[in-house]
Amino acid sequence: AQSVTQLGSHVSVSEGALVLLRCNYSSSVPPYLFWYVQYPNQGLQLLLKYTSAATLVKGINGFEAEFKKSETSFHLTKPSAHMSDAAEYFCAVSDSAGGTSYGKLTFGQGTILTVHP
Amino acid sequence: DVKVTQSSRYLVKRTGEKVFLECVQDMDHENMFWYRQDPGLGLRLIYFSYDVKMKEKGDIPEGYSVSREKKERFSLILESASTNQTSMYLCASNRPIFVQPQHFGDGTRLSIL
Repeated sequence: AQSVTQLGSHVSVSEGALVLLRCNYSSSVPPYLFWYVQYPNQGLQLLLKYTSAATLVKGINGFEAEFKKSETSFHLTKPSAHMSDAAEYFCAVSDSAGGTSYGKLTFGQGTILTVHP
Repeated sequence: DVKVTQSSRYLVKRTGEKVFLECVQDMDHENMFWYRQDPGLGLRLIYFSYDVKMKEKGDIPEGYSVSREKKERFSLILESASTNQTSMYLCASNRPIFVQPQHFGDGTRLSIL
């Protein structure tokens, strides 16, 4: 079974600083990985997804993530934080067991990003 | 754009009531999901459905049931609401294909008094 661990339930950065949100996965098969963002009082929106085509994945709003198999990691980064990036971020891994499991995701616990002026 | 609509943004119910949360998607997706979101616990899968009238239990199905009579609609039912079911509930849908992202509704914040 797959699992996801997000290190750090809260991350605080200054506006303009580097954003780094950590995600480690556990999977017995090649994983497919996702990052979602949730703004206050909204549902989750897809930021980016890793599908094995390239290890560095670019997403919306200037975010990117790098898949590192040796470290079983898929950390999310953004070079310069904006106030509008303040939100909760979720890492997720796709269930690749097949059959009716296609399309299921396992989510991490979430990381709340605070951006200070 | 995929649209997943949850019938209520906020709902207040009393202990012991039967509660219905409704979700509709407009993209003909086969899969639909109900999650519960609590601080520090992320999203936990309650039930999912991979076709009309088909369902599978997720990680925390106790106290809940679901109904999928039409492809576009997936209902979550709290048979007898309890205070520990106070939470944010999120509905999602996608196609049953590898690397298909799930599309989410805006959530229903349910309070059980």
